Amino acid sequence: EIVLTQSPGTLSLSPGERATLSCRASQSVSSSHIAWHQQRPGQAPRLLIYGASFRATGIPDRFSGSGSGTGFTLTISRVEPEDFAVYYCHQYGSSPYTFGQGTKLEIK
Amino acid sequence: EVQLVESGGGLVQPGGSLRLSCAASGFTFSSYWMTWVRQAPGKGLEWVAKIMKDGTEKYYVDSVKGRFTISRDNAKNSLYLQMNSLGAEDTAVYYCARKDGDIWGQGTMVTVSS
Repeated sequence: EIVLTQSPGTLSLSPGERATLSCRASQSVSSSHIAWHQQRPGQAPRLLIYGASFRATGIPDRFSGSGSGTGFTLTISRVEPEDFAVYYCHQYGSSPYTFGQGTKLEIK
Repeated sequence: EVQLVESGGGLVQPGGSLRLSCAASGFTFSSYWMTWVRQAPGKGLEWVAKIMKDGTEKYYVDSVKGRFTISRDNAKNSLYLQMNSLGAEDTAVYYCARKDGDIWGQGTMVTVSS
């Protein structure tokens, strides 16, 4: 099983600042089958990024993903008020598929 | 509009069974593999099971193997999760998702308690 470790656990930022979220895999993720999901309180998750770097339909271009192998990053260039939420990385390259434990982006 | 709507959650006693359903609309259901993901109260996401387009291939997380069965009825645009021998550790919101999560349902709550 591929274990995904996200850091930091909590990220405190002000609107307009840059957010960098990390996801490290215990082994290489095949074909960059890494996704990032956003979950706001009381809501279902929403896909932001798939294939490590491709934005899902309707996702603003302030969100970007990068990385390969065992290290992946989600960057929000300028955090907007609606971006404060929990973010999960997800590997879907090797069964059992797994999620990271999440990074909470909170208002500073 | 592409939509997934789960149903069938509720309160069940330990050792009991429950069948979750997920109704799909707005897309060609038979063209997509489907997934169940769960989230225990206050916890993160956990991938549970996946079923391929024609239902012939199924995959499960170890903790539910032998207890849960994922299935689908392409004629009814529906996904199912049969859950048997339920324990407190299965208490969670259960989400169905298209493919590996490009579309999510709103979730249905399953509570296992006496």
